[in-house]
Amino acid sequence: DAKTTQPNSMESNEEEPVHLPCNHSTISGTDYIHWYRQLPSQGPEYVIHGLTSNVNNRMASLAIAEDRKSSTLILHRATLRDAAVYYCILSKRDDKIIFGKGTRLHILP
Amino acid sequence: GAVVSQHPSWVICKSGTSVKIECRSLDFQATTMFWYRQFPKQSLMLMATSNEGSKATYEQGVEKDKFLINHASLTLSTLTVTSAHPEDSSFYICSARFPGADTQYFGPGTRLTVL
Repeated sequence: DAKTTQPNSMESNEEEPVHLPCNHSTISGTDYIHWYRQLPSQGPEYVIHGLTSNVNNRMASLAIAEDRKSSTLILHRATLRDAAVYYCILSKRDDKIIFGKGTRLHILP
Repeated sequence: GAVVSQHPSWVICKSGTSVKIECRSLDFQATTMFWYRQFPKQSLMLMATSNEGSKATYEQGVEKDKFLINHASLTLSTLTVTSAHPEDSSFYICSARFPGADTQYFGPGTRLTVL
């Protein structure tokens, strides 16, 4: 499985944008880039995913580098409820999802 | 988005007993379901992949006779922890995927405590 590298933790101020980076230099052409987040004592929550083009949804935006070797999850306006562990995962269609350690995001009021 | 439920949300049992956890996809038919385990302050670890109507595929190091998985219908998979011991205490999470989907949807998790 292709691996991803994320910072262990990040901090951001409330109501400011947050950019969560993810490196995946060994990504293959059929790997989708998935982002999930997990709040304390809850199951992971789907955030966004993409293949080649940037993606937007109501929760976040996903910016994918042209060479696909890195991506950035963008939370446009962080709230305290966005404090969670964010996982960047590579997975092929119909394949299993393997979690790494993720980035623990702290939001400062 | 798609909804996956788990029951129970938490369970406490005595050592040596068996515990069954249910995972249901509420608004879609899930041909594939996955079971994960998470210990405190650790990431999720995939235990097994369950396809409807066939035997589950277990990840390396997961005892299939201890963690029995049944996926009898397109909306229900069960995980039975047999002869549970304190070291099996963990947060168990299921996920489900419908045919052709790029991604999975996760349940809220079941916290198992074995005394």
